[in-house]
Amino acid sequence: SQTIHQWPATLVQPVGSPLSLECTVEGTSNPNLYWYRQAAGRGLQLLFYSVGIGQISSEVPQNLSASRPQDRQFILSSKKLLLSDSGFYLCAWRYYRWTGDEGDTQYFGPGTRLTVL
Amino acid sequence: AQKVTQAQTEISVVEKEDVTLDCVYETRDTTYYLFWYKQPPSGELVFLIRRNSFDEQNEISGRYSWNFQKSTSSFNFTITASQVVDSAVYFCALWTKAAGNKLTFGGGTRVLVKP
Repeated sequence: SQTIHQWPATLVQPVGSPLSLECTVEGTSNPNLYWYRQAAGRGLQLLFYSVGIGQISSEVPQNLSASRPQDRQFILSSKKLLLSDSGFYLCAWRYYRWTGDEGDTQYFGPGTRLTVL
Repeated sequence: AQKVTQAQTEISVVEKEDVTLDCVYETRDTTYYLFWYKQPPSGELVFLIRRNSFDEQNEISGRYSWNFQKSTSSFNFTITASQVVDSAVYFCALWTKAAGNKLTFGGGTRVLVKP
């Protein structure tokens, strides 16, 4: 079976500090990977997605970046955090398919709660 | 463009009452999928159901049931005999071919079940 891990679970960082959040998936190969952010009391905002190693698509221009150094590893980074970066960050994966049924379910990790002070 | 609307931001019920969550979607695609997710206080999104646009059969899973009506572009979710553990935020989501890899989420409905 597949599992998705995120760490850290919680993080408190000062404004201007760097950020690195990690997401890993087990039990599947070449998954599509996603980073979402959820501000307090708000809906989900897609930040980045990746269909393969080194392939990153950005949805929202901001001071965040994403990287995929390995097949099942997805990293969210920032060089200098802003107050507005506070939120709940969720990683998700889905099966990658060349053709056919593409409306596959996205499965989410446990999330990282980030507070920027 | 794709859009999902969950008009109810918060619903409060007493335990054992039924609760229905509305989801209305917009898309021009004829092939699409609809999803419901549950987000309990712990934060993780838990997948509940996936339905494709060619399958209009309603579905029941325990106390959960879903009513898919293409004529009104709705995919409503009912919890029967609600329990305190049902307290969570519920999200409806839409995938279409035009959107490629992305899911379009509704704003979510917070359900509070009081004992």
